Amino acid sequence: AQSVTQPDIHITVSEGASLELRCNYSYGATPYLFWYVQSPGQGLQLLLKYFSGDTLVQGIKGFEAEFKRSQSSFNLRKPSVHWSDAAEYFCAVGDLDTGFQKLVFGTGTRLLVSP
Amino acid sequence: NAGVTQTPKFRVLKTGQSMTLLCAQDMNHEYMYWYRQDPGMGLRLIHYSVGEGTTAKGEVPDGYNVSRLKKQNFLLGLESAAPSQTSVYFCASTTSGRPGRDTQYFGPGTRLTVL
Repeated sequence: AQSVTQPDIHITVSEGASLELRCNYSYGATPYLFWYVQSPGQGLQLLLKYFSGDTLVQGIKGFEAEFKRSQSSFNLRKPSVHWSDAAEYFCAVGDLDTGFQKLVFGTGTRLLVSP
Repeated sequence: NAGVTQTPKFRVLKTGQSMTLLCAQDMNHEYMYWYRQDPGMGLRLIHYSVGEGTTAKGEVPDGYNVSRLKKQNFLLGLESAAPSQTSVYFCASTTSGRPGRDTQYFGPGTRLTVL
């Protein structure tokens, strides 16, 4: 079965510093990969997604992610973190093998931004 | 355009009580989903609907029922609440039946506590 691993439960980054959130997936074929962000008290919002083509994907709010097939990874990056980026981030992979396609979510990484 | 809305935002129930969570979307989406979010477990699919009048079970359907009488509304019911159902519930929708590929639009969530 498809699975997603986000090894970091919490990450603290200083404002202005760079950020990388890790995501590893398990999927046999070319995956559909997503990053969602959940701000406090809000629902999830799509940051970016990868289907095919260029392995470096640009998203909203200055985020990008790189798909590395050899490492089964889809890490999220941002060159300079802002205090408003404090949120929980979820990586997800599209499960296309079953009769009903669904998203399989990782357990999330909570980002804390220090002044 | 409100997107996806959920009612109520918070609720406390006693064991054995019943309640209904309402999800409404104004984007004319065909597909709607109910997830629960628990600490350390990411989001798990409870039930989903592929169109008005249809419902189907997801990963964790036990103890829940759903109805989709109108295209814009998707109701989640708990007939006899249990403490194990304490969670944050999210509704989502997509334009087509490809949730493994399409962007999902999420509501703000309902925080339910069962005592």
